[in-house]
Amino acid sequence: EVQLVESGGGLVQPGGSLRLSCAASGFTFSSYEMNWVRQAPGKGLEWVSYISNSGSTIYYADSVKGRFTISRDNAKNSLYLQMNSLRAEDTAVYYCAREIVVGGSDAFDIWGRGTMVTVSS
Amino acid sequence: DIQMTQSPSSLSASVGDRVTITCRASQRISKYLNWYQQKPGEAPKLLIYGASTLQSGVPSRFCGSGSGTDFTLTISSLQPEDSATYYCQQSYITQYSFGQGTKLEIK
Repeated sequence: EVQLVESGGGLVQPGGSLRLSCAASGFTFSSYEMNWVRQAPGKGLEWVSYISNSGSTIYYADSVKGRFTISRDNAKNSLYLQMNSLRAEDTAVYYCAREIVVGGSDAFDIWGRGTMVTVSS
Repeated sequence: DIQMTQSPSSLSASVGDRVTITCRASQRISKYLNWYQQKPGEAPKLLIYGASTLQSGVPSRFCGSGSGTDFTLTISSLQPEDSATYYCQQSYITQYSFGQGTKLEIK
């Protein structure tokens, strides 16, 4: 079964750090681009970061640039998000999502169930 | 950055109704537009990619159209299980962005 499972969320104080992980199974992880998407409580979806299948190309949303770092370990079928200098507005469910390219279009076809990050004192 | 604006923000319709949700991009994005469905407590689910191509397993009552800046998602005959929030997403540039969502309620 194709699956993504996030972990590493929790309660952290403002200014603190957290590292999220996403374990992939059921597909050839190294062949796919990956993304992190977040959703604040009661709010909409916000794209956070992208990483190419080799890890050589990375993009961030302006809201997290300079504070978050995306990475991957293809040997371990894992995606990561290192989050530093956390703010209250980073409180959200964080999803990892697999990106597919079909007919020239990119879309997120597989999503994990998400991990909750709460930034509060 | 490309801003995505959906309308309406919410709507209520009856089983069997035809429902249309619109999405507008702040600049031309060709057909690089996806639609997702999200039910409470669940992850989003891909419905349509490339503006009009149905993802495998998605019922044929869902239909996407549009290009350039204006797009629509139509549900031809609303079913109770279609109660959800729907999001559009542009994939024209890799700083992907989503619309704010449209919450669809069944009367």
